[in-house]
Amino acid sequence: AQRVTQPEKLLSVFKGAPVELKCNYSYSGSPELFWYVQYSRQRLQLLLRHISRESIKGFTADLNKGETSFHLKKPFAQEEDSAMYYCALRVGGTSYGKLTFGQGTILTVHP
Amino acid sequence: DAGVTQSPTHLIKTRGQQVTLRCSPKSGHDTVSWYQQALGQGPQFIFQYYEEEERQRGNFPDRFSGHQFPNYSSELNVNALLLGDSALYLCASSLAGRDRDAYEQYFGPGTRLTVT
Repeated sequence: AQRVTQPEKLLSVFKGAPVELKCNYSYSGSPELFWYVQYSRQRLQLLLRHISRESIKGFTADLNKGETSFHLKKPFAQEEDSAMYYCALRVGGTSYGKLTFGQGTILTVHP
Repeated sequence: DAGVTQSPTHLIKTRGQQVTLRCSPKSGHDTVSWYQQALGQGPQFIFQYYEEEERQRGNFPDRFSGHQFPNYSSELNVNALLLGDSALYLCASSLAGRDRDAYEQYFGPGTRLTVT
């Protein structure tokens, strides 16, 4: 069975500092990896996905199949980045595969 | 478009009772997935409905059942409620298809269920 691990429940950084949210997964096949974010009083929303290889709000994430990791990085954190971040894995096809989430990391960016 | 909507927002039930939660998908979406999110945990997949049938199911007992209507809206039913069923229940909608870009799941605000 697939599993997603986010080792840090809480992460605090100062504005302008680099930030890295860790995500490791276990799955024997070729997974699709995502990062979801939930800002205060807002619903869960997709931040980025590994297949698009794009930068969203300054965040990037690279899928490392050798280390089975999909860490989320941003070189200069902003206060508005403070939120709950979930790493998720999808298997079972592009159109309907279920998402398996990690436990989440609360990121706090201090002024 | 209001996006994915869920009702009710909050619900308090007594152990042993039954509950029905409702979800309306984002306009144009035909697939609905349900997740349970316990306090301090990430969402856990319950099941997914497409074309009014359960297409995929997570590791949840039969007390959890669902339905999808012709207009793509969906219900989640939980029978014989346990204290451990207290959680935030999230609904997510998506559009089935071969195109990778069509898969993104859009989440609703959730229904907070408290079982006493």
